[in-house]
Amino acid sequence: GAGVSQSPSNKVTEKGKDVELRCDPISGHTALYWYRQRLGQGLEFLIYFQGNSAPDKSGLPSDRFSAERTGESVSTLTIQRTQQEDSAVYLCASSKQVGTGEQFFGPGTRLTVL
Amino acid sequence: DAKTTQPPSMDCAEGRAANLPCNHSTISGNEYVYWYRQIHSQGPQYIIHGLKNNETNEMASLIITEDRKSSTLILPHATLRDTAVYYCIVRSYNNNDMRFGAGTRLTVKP
Repeated sequence: GAGVSQSPSNKVTEKGKDVELRCDPISGHTALYWYRQRLGQGLEFLIYFQGNSAPDKSGLPSDRFSAERTGESVSTLTIQRTQQEDSAVYLCASSKQVGTGEQFFGPGTRLTVL
Repeated sequence: DAKTTQPPSMDCAEGRAANLPCNHSTISGNEYVYWYRQIHSQGPQYIIHGLKNNETNEMASLIITEDRKSSTLILPHATLRDTAVYYCIVRSYNNNDMRFGAGTRLTVKP
């Protein structure tokens, strides 16, 4: 594929609702990463996948956050019972394999929780 | 992973070289130095990385001091489109997340 794509590009939701954010990595990339970026701040690591396995979930901020990945393809980040502090841009990145430095980022999903 | 320190902001004149410093005094032997940039409203973009030798690619050059405690990213001929936040990141090869700090906001001025 041309690059990492994410959908939706923008999502506005009401507090307490669940949201699903989607990431399509570059074809052939085995590693996939999710980050969160609050306004004016750096990136906060959330979780990574090697294939469809997520060895390290320590970055997920709470048990309201979960993620899954189908094979070496699409990943979904789910936030349940959204809170206003969840408002941020959620970025997805992929790389050929875990451990390589060059991660290719998608454009992000801007989530606003009212 | 080692922590990095970067100036919060820098200005550069268009067409001049932009030299962005980064301190990583606690870097360990197996840690690489990576540079990414983020243009407003876009995802971060990989620029370059290195271990101990200086590196150059089509975007930039990376100069790493002999003691590896600091490095400089050089954009040889800055353009207005290089205005962005530049992140210096230190990580070991087997670490799987990129710890982005606040970065340096580079403004290229005409």
